[in-house]
Amino acid sequence: DIQMTQSPSSLSASVGDRVTITCRASQGISNSLAWYQQKPGKAPKLLLYAASRLESGVPSRFSGSGSGTDYTLTISSLHPEDFATYLCQQYYGILPLTFGGGTKVEIK
Amino acid sequence: QVQLVESGGGVVQPGGSLRLSCAASGFTFGSYGMHWVRQAPGRGLEWVAFIRYDETNRYYGDSVKGRFTISRDNSKNTLYLQMNSLRAEDTAVYYCAKDPLYGGSGYYFDYWGQGTLVTVSS
Repeated sequence: DIQMTQSPSSLSASVGDRVTITCRASQGISNSLAWYQQKPGKAPKLLLYAASRLESGVPSRFSGSGSGTDYTLTISSLHPEDFATYLCQQYYGILPLTFGGGTKVEIK
Repeated sequence: QVQLVESGGGVVQPGGSLRLSCAASGFTFGSYGMHWVRQAPGRGLEWVAFIRYDETNRYYGDSVKGRFTISRDNSKNTLYLQMNSLRAEDTAVYYCAKDPLYGGSGYYFDYWGQGTLVTVSS
C-alpha cells in the first residue's frame, strides 16, 4: 500500500495568513493526488485533483503543487470559512486508495 | 445538483450484518463509478470499496475483503454495501462518494453523501 504522510498534523493561523500543508507519498504517485477539506460533522469536499487542478467552484486562493512523492496545498490568504481539516488522497493506480492523516487548521 | 443520500446505518452486534444504501440524483448514475469510504470516530478516512459504472469491476480494501459486497442498481439510481461478519473495528461513518470520470474510473471523489453511522457493539 502507498502510505500518505501529512504535515503538520495541526497548525494555528490567522485570517489573511498564507498556509502551506505538505503531503508525502511512500512512493512516486505521478501527480495522482487529490486534496479535500472537511469540517466537523460534514463530508469531505474536493478542492483539487491531479495535484494542481482546481475543482470547479473552489476559490482561487487554494492551489496545489508538487511532483514525485512530495505535494503541497497552499491557501494564499486564509478566510474565516477555511478553518477546517485538510486531507490528501493518492489514486496512483495501485489499490487501495489511501488518505493522509489530515491537517487541522485552527484559529490563532 | 448532485445528491447522495445514505441510509441503513445503525447498531449491530459483532458478527452481524447490515446493508447500506445510497440514493443518487442530479447526475447520470449509470455512467459513473461509485465508492464507499468510511471514517471511524475521531480517525482518518479509509477507502472501502469501488464499483465501476457497468459493474464489470469491483474492488475492496483489505480490511473488508471477503466480508463486504458493493453492488448497484442503475435502474433505481442506488448504490449498496452489504456488510457481513461485522467487527467492532468496522464502527464508522460510511460515506458513498461519486467517481468523477464519465464512463471510466478516476479513483478520487467529487461528491460525497452526508454519511450514515454504523456502530458494531454488543
